[in-house]
Amino acid sequence: DTAVSQTPKYLVTQMGNDKSIKCEQNLGHDTMYWYKQDSKKFLKIMFSYNNKELIINETVPNRFSPKSPDKAHLNLHINSLELGDSAVYFCASSLQRPGAGNTIYFGEGSWLTVV
Amino acid sequence: KQEVTQIPAALSVPEGENLVLNCSFTDSAIYNLQWFRQDPGKGLTSLLLIQSSQREQTSGRLNASLDKSSGRSTLYIAASQPGDSATYLCAVNKEYGNKLVFGAGTILRVKS
Repeated sequence: DTAVSQTPKYLVTQMGNDKSIKCEQNLGHDTMYWYKQDSKKFLKIMFSYNNKELIINETVPNRFSPKSPDKAHLNLHINSLELGDSAVYFCASSLQRPGAGNTIYFGEGSWLTVV
Repeated sequence: KQEVTQIPAALSVPEGENLVLNCSFTDSAIYNLQWFRQDPGKGLTSLLLIQSSQREQTSGRLNASLDKSSGRSTLYIAASQPGDSATYLCAVNKEYGNKLVFGAGTILRVKS
């Protein structure tokens, strides 16, 4: 009964390919995120969607495109993969309530290796 | 630009010891601060969340404090156990929303 689930967990692909990582949350949250953890282990936010609307878009190459068909899903599409895209990608979700502790729940990560 | 630093980068202690992990941030205008635990090959688990108006939060053997004016937070773990071995991450949230800025983490190993 995983709260935030993402697939695939491991993905090895060649440079230039296009790939997608899927994310689903069953917590009833209205906000979902994609974070990237690079080889130095720093986690950085990429995107955030609130009720299917993009609210955070960091300086991420436009080869990365998030898609939210509904508020329980936020998929990450990556076009023309490059070696530097190799990282662990984490999906997360939370509620957005003013003044509340917006605890964020993370998925288990998707390990992307570009060769 | 907000920067988060965690000290030490790694820590190895015998079982039963009390320990303190440190987190500092450069911009004190934060909305909240969260401590997470990350196990190898796993996602992050939220441990404690401290709102900017709070001084500390406690959960079981964990206690997190926040001194916003000095840009510091500590995570205190009492009576450490081998199961506490993991990477502990501190993250600050500058504004309403979860645009978290993470530190690099402290790798904790508790020896039995």
